[in-house]
Amino acid sequence: GEDVEQSLFLSVREGDSSVINCTYTDSSSTYLYWYKQEPGAGLQLLTYIFSNMDMKQDQRLTVLLNKKDKHLSLRIADTQTGDSAIYFCAERKVIDYKLSFGAGTTVTVRA
Amino acid sequence: GAGVSQSPSNKVTEKGKDVELRCDPISGHTALYWYRQRLGQGLEFLIYFQGNSAPDKSGLPSDRFSAERTGESVSTLTIQRTQQEDSAVYLCASSLGGFNEQFFGPGTRLTVL
Repeated sequence: GEDVEQSLFLSVREGDSSVINCTYTDSSSTYLYWYKQEPGAGLQLLTYIFSNMDMKQDQRLTVLLNKKDKHLSLRIADTQTGDSAIYFCAERKVIDYKLSFGAGTTVTVRA
Repeated sequence: GAGVSQSPSNKVTEKGKDVELRCDPISGHTALYWYRQRLGQGLEFLIYFQGNSAPDKSGLPSDRFSAERTGESVSTLTIQRTQQEDSAVYLCASSLGGFNEQFFGPGTRLTVL
């Protein structure tokens, strides 16, 4: 099974906030990433957080990290139709170059 | 080019045939990665190249899979005697170094009939 787990689907109304959740396994120094994949396109890095941080905000995106529960979330404020995509959570140990991905959450934005 | 490119974008082949997938990394990126994305699953690491160092092949699922890279340029992933379970999207990424942001190509969708 995968070390990084995500819920598979999320449906949200346009203008509402989306929250995508992820759990990871590595408790050591780790980078945690959120990628976006649109149809026919490669993965686009949205944001990342280091494991010694609790929160990171970047415009409409807020990443929250609960180290005790090894839980990571991505909140998208004022969700737009262009936010419809698959969102991947990934982790990378500081000493490694390999990314470990979750299965991806398909976000559908409805009018 | 400006980004990572891959070819072909789609490949349909018959079981037992060999296929070759190509990746053109971003110019100047010394590190190159191949990942496999099966339907409904996350990306699985396959292989990593860094400059002239020996590649990390630890993710290759069987000896039917191999990859080459000449210097810091193009890489090819070869799958011999394809099986139906090889059907997936194969993604390539490159980065300035092994611990820097990975930039992904659009992938090659492989379908083995």
